[in-house]
Amino acid sequence: DILLTQSPVTLSLSPGERATLSCGASQSVPSDYVAWFQQKPGLAPSLVMYDTSSRATGIPDRFSGSGSGTVFTLTINRLEPEDFAVYFCHQYGTSPLSFGGGTTVEI
Amino acid sequence: QVHLVQSGAEVRKPGASLKVSCKASGYNFVAFYLHWVRQAPGQGPEWMGWIDPNSGGTNYAPKFYGRVTMTRDTSSSTAFMQLNNLTSDDTAVFYCAKAPGTEEPLTNWGQGTLVTVSS
Repeated sequence: DILLTQSPVTLSLSPGERATLSCGASQSVPSDYVAWFQQKPGLAPSLVMYDTSSRATGIPDRFSGSGSGTVFTLTINRLEPEDFAVYFCHQYGTSPLSFGGGTTVEI
Repeated sequence: QVHLVQSGAEVRKPGASLKVSCKASGYNFVAFYLHWVRQAPGQGPEWMGWIDPNSGGTNYAPKFYGRVTMTRDTSSSTAFMQLNNLTSDDTAVFYCAKAPGTEEPLTNWGQGTLVTVSS
C-alpha cells in the first residue's frame, strides 16, 4: 500500500503570498497519478489538480503542480482569500487508492 | 450538470449495518466508476472501493474486505454502499465520487452522508 505524508500540517500565510505544499509517497506512484483536493468546512473535497500537474476545470493558473515518483508539490501563487482551506493529496495509480492527511492553509 | 445526491444522516448502534445511497444525474451513469470514500472527524479521506455501474464489478480496499458491499441499480442511476458490523471507529462522513475509470481522478463528489455509531 502507498502511504502519503503531507507537510507541513499547517501553513500560516497572508493573501498575496505563495503556498508550497508537499506530499511524499512511501513508494513510487505509478504514472505519477497524483491529485490534489481542496476542502472547506462542511463540504466535500473538490478536485484542484490531477495527473500531478493538470489543473481541474475552473481552477485558476495560480495553482500549479509538480513532482514525480515519490515527491509531489502543489504551489499556490498569490494566495486569494478563497484559497484558505485544507488540501489533500491523493494517489490513484495503484489499488488501494490512498490520501494524505492534509495541509491546512490558514491566514 | 453532474449531480451525486446521497441519502441523509444516519445513527447506528455498534454491530448494526448501514446502507448509503448515491443517486447520479447529468451524465451516463454506466459510463463512469463510482468510488466510496469516508472521512473520520478531523482526518484525511480514506478510500473504501469502487463499483463499475456497467458490469457491477467491484474492487474493495483490503481493510473493508468481508464488511462492505457495493451495488448499483441502473434503472434509477443509484449506487449503494453497505457496511456491516459497525463500530465507533466507523463514525465518519461517507462520500460517493465519480471517476472516468479505475486509474482516473475523482472528478465529482456527493455531498456526503454523516454516519454516527454510538451505543
